[in-house]
Amino acid sequence: GAGVSQSPRYKVAKRGQDVALRCDPISGHVSLFWYQQALGQGPEFLTYFQNEAQLDKSGLPSDRFFAERPEGSVSTLKIQRTQQEDSAVYLCASSLAGARYNEQFFGPGTRLTVL
Amino acid sequence: EDQVTQSPEALRLQEGESSSLNCSYTVSGLRGLFWYRQDPGKGPEFLFTLYSAGEEKEKERLKATLTKKESFLHITAPKPEDSATYLCAVRASGYALNFGKGTSLLVTP
Repeated sequence: GAGVSQSPRYKVAKRGQDVALRCDPISGHVSLFWYQQALGQGPEFLTYFQNEAQLDKSGLPSDRFFAERPEGSVSTLKIQRTQQEDSAVYLCASSLAGARYNEQFFGPGTRLTVL
Repeated sequence: EDQVTQSPEALRLQEGESSSLNCSYTVSGLRGLFWYRQDPGKGPEFLFTLYSAGEEKEKERLKATLTKKESFLHITAPKPEDSATYLCAVRASGYALNFGKGTSLLVTP
């Protein structure tokens, strides 16, 4: 079956531009996560949705980062006024039911480069 | 604060040379330890979940074990296609996975 998909796969932005990254989770998955992965590092948690509710946004690095999942399926991570330190791979993951015990399945990521 | 430390950072093996990767953790209230494999340019691929000390899981040439302080990923008779970065993550009180930096494994023919 189809896994988690993300688009675009690559994004180059000039410093100060706004970007929007899309995630399509596995059909029927209730929980959706966003992570940021810098080169040579493990993924770092950004935010978590259960259906359309954003239950945890403690990992968002600044108020320039905003995520939404309005219909409980597709999610968008928006970064306003991008900075060079925002350059990273942004990973989306989904899991079937309650996130607390279930494994998370990851998409291929979006590589963001801010010039 | 929860911490996950993986060692070694990089490992080079000859095909058929068995070895182990280590994941040490300090968390208050472990609710799962997860192993993932990540190939270059791809997202992490789920391998195993372990919940309690003494638990073991196997998949092909990989076997994961868990104690109260660490987990090991044993690789038996590796093949070049096992080359990848192996990530360990823990879940404690929240929903997020807390990842280590990973071990980069290279298996040469």
